[in-house]
Amino acid sequence: DGGITQSPKYLFRKEGQNVTLSCEQNLNHDAMYWYRQDPGQGLRLIYYSQIVNDFQKGDIAEGYSVSREKKESFPLTVTSAQKNPTAFYLCASRDGTLKSNEQFFGPGTRLTVL
Amino acid sequence: AQSVSQHNHHVILSEAASLELGCNYSYGGTVNLFWYVQYPGQHLQLLLKYFSGDPLVKGIKGFEAEFIKSKFSFNLRKPSVQWSDTAEYFCAVTVDTGRRALTFGSGTRLQVQP
Repeated sequence: DGGITQSPKYLFRKEGQNVTLSCEQNLNHDAMYWYRQDPGQGLRLIYYSQIVNDFQKGDIAEGYSVSREKKESFPLTVTSAQKNPTAFYLCASRDGTLKSNEQFFGPGTRLTVL
Repeated sequence: AQSVSQHNHHVILSEAASLELGCNYSYGGTVNLFWYVQYPGQHLQLLLKYFSGDPLVKGIKGFEAEFIKSKFSFNLRKPSVQWSDTAEYFCAVTVDTGRRALTFGSGTRLQVQP
């Protein structure tokens, strides 16, 4: 089955620790995105990557970092510099062959800082 | 930069009632428009999309939306809701240049009472 997987589903972190969220896709999509979802605020863009070995900051990149060493993988690291990391994190990929620019989403990781 | 407004934050309906959720966007150029749905505990999934052609688009589960360019609107409708439509609904927009990331509205929580 083609799709996007994210792990873990739930993640607990102590203050001051860095954590890495995994995102893998087997859809052969070039572009991948990380969004953060908070209650009442919709989804906001953290980072995106349009091609392997390239990535750009989104609207709320402070305290986060990413890498894109492989087409299939786009891990997100939440660093200790992120002031309010407790949120639901969603990874998405975009099919560049579709004129609609539709994105496909993974199941998400819920991060809680203790 | 584009933005999206969803005016209804929480809607409560009885089964068989009609639904209309408002969505307005701000952007002066060509846009692609989406409605995504998030059922409790499930992935964010595409309900319907508009990128060209007939401004009245039909999606899954009997939903439809109408793109009115002059009003910068893309309202979601369903003539008769079911209990299983209880979910959170997000309107989103993207443009066909640059990062092609989605800009989301804040979401509307729909609660359908049996």
